[in-house]
Amino acid sequence: AQTVTQSQPEMSVQEAETVTLSCTYDTSESNYYLFWYKQPPSRQMILVIRQEAYKQQNATENRFSVNFQKAAKSFSLKISDSQLGDTAMYFCAFIHYGGATNKLIFGTGTLLAVQP
Amino acid sequence: ETGVTQTPRHLVMGMTNKKSLKCEQHLGHNAMYWYKQSAKKPLELMFVYNFKEQTENNSVPSRFSPECPNSSHLFLHLHTLQPEDSALYLCASSQDSTSGAYEQYFGPGTRLTVT
Repeated sequence: AQTVTQSQPEMSVQEAETVTLSCTYDTSESNYYLFWYKQPPSRQMILVIRQEAYKQQNATENRFSVNFQKAAKSFSLKISDSQLGDTAMYFCAFIHYGGATNKLIFGTGTLLAVQP
Repeated sequence: ETGVTQTPRHLVMGMTNKKSLKCEQHLGHNAMYWYKQSAKKPLELMFVYNFKEQTENNSVPSRFSPECPNSSHLFLHLHTLQPEDSALYLCASSQDSTSGAYEQYFGPGTRLTVT
């Protein structure tokens, strides 16, 4: 079964501090992409960062970076210098590629609160 | 309008009503998606359209009926819903559903309450 597990339903971090959100996934396929999506309160879900599974180098986007451990099927998100605007639900997801339709498989999300 | 828009943003309907959700994308994409988001559950893919053709129906009950008249518009027709259908319904679009490399862009969602 293809699943994504986010074991931290809620997290809290002080402004300017660093926080890491965990994610593990399960798939027997070798060709896939991994994503972190952010859904702010009452706002649209947006893509934060993407990692191609065939790349060993961890993706970074400004204050956001990932720790991708393919053998362990782990894909954590690190947010540095947390800002109040980072308060949101964060979803980890992956998608296979090469099939007729490629489904995004999501986790249950981690609600992150950045405290002033 | 930019991105992906959805109307209405909130909908309350009785179990015997018929209503429709509308999604429009202004990104020139060819694939559109319906997802159901319930609290404490992963997003559930419901339907996928690629170049106006339905390519995925994820075992969705027939009380949900999708329609994609063109690549820019997607509807979800609702009838005789159940209270457990109350959720946030998200629309998304991407360049093409056959490649996982293409990012999916999401709309703000319709918050549906079935009474």
